[in-house]
Amino acid sequence: AQKVTQAQTEISVVEKEDVTLDCVYETRDTTYYLFWYKQPPSGELVFLIRRNSFDEQNEISGRYSWNFQKSTSSFNFTITASQVVDSAVYFCALSEASGGYQKVTFGIGTKLQVIP
Amino acid sequence: DAGVIQSPRHEVTEMGQEVTLRCKPISGHDYLFWYRQTMMRGLELLIYFNNNVPIDDSGMPEDRFSAKMPNASFSTLKIQPSEPRDSAVYFCASSSDRGNTGELFFGEGSRLTVL
Repeated sequence: AQKVTQAQTEISVVEKEDVTLDCVYETRDTTYYLFWYKQPPSGELVFLIRRNSFDEQNEISGRYSWNFQKSTSSFNFTITASQVVDSAVYFCALSEASGGYQKVTFGIGTKLQVIP
Repeated sequence: DAGVIQSPRHEVTEMGQEVTLRCKPISGHDYLFWYRQTMMRGLELLIYFNNNVPIDDSGMPEDRFSAKMPNASFSTLKIQPSEPRDSAVYFCASSSDRGNTGELFFGEGSRLTVL
């Protein structure tokens, strides 16, 4: 079974629109971490955020915000007022206590295209 | 500070040839990971090391793949013999156990094309 599901493979939005990238995870652990990484066209993966399973507070960082809901096993990522520089592939990922936290499982990724 | 350094950035080879990909992790990081990225399968963990010791190689596709970490500052991923289906971007990543969270620091990747 897939541990991290990103149902949206590709999304296109027009610049300045808001966009939400969905992430649903599956784990039996009570302690785990969730991540979002960004992969711009240059190819390198860049860490965006980490959330532990005990902290369900939503987080906002500039135009980025994350909504973590344990009840639905979701960790969604919203970009407000999207810009062309946001065009990238975004990965949701999970690390679990049972894996020593070091084994990180990634979703398939969502390719976001922001059209000027 | 230097990040994770991978070489080569691009490799084009013919089927049957040996390919060696190299990685230098961030100094002080005690975990090193090799991932493979393809369009069909996304990012797959191939193998990871802790303090130079392989911990989990269950993601290594087959015996043609091998990885070594002779010291804390160097690792190799070798494919012998290579096949066209091995064409992918191979990422090396490192992390520190101090934070115990799994946050990974990635290199720029090695794009392998096997003809």
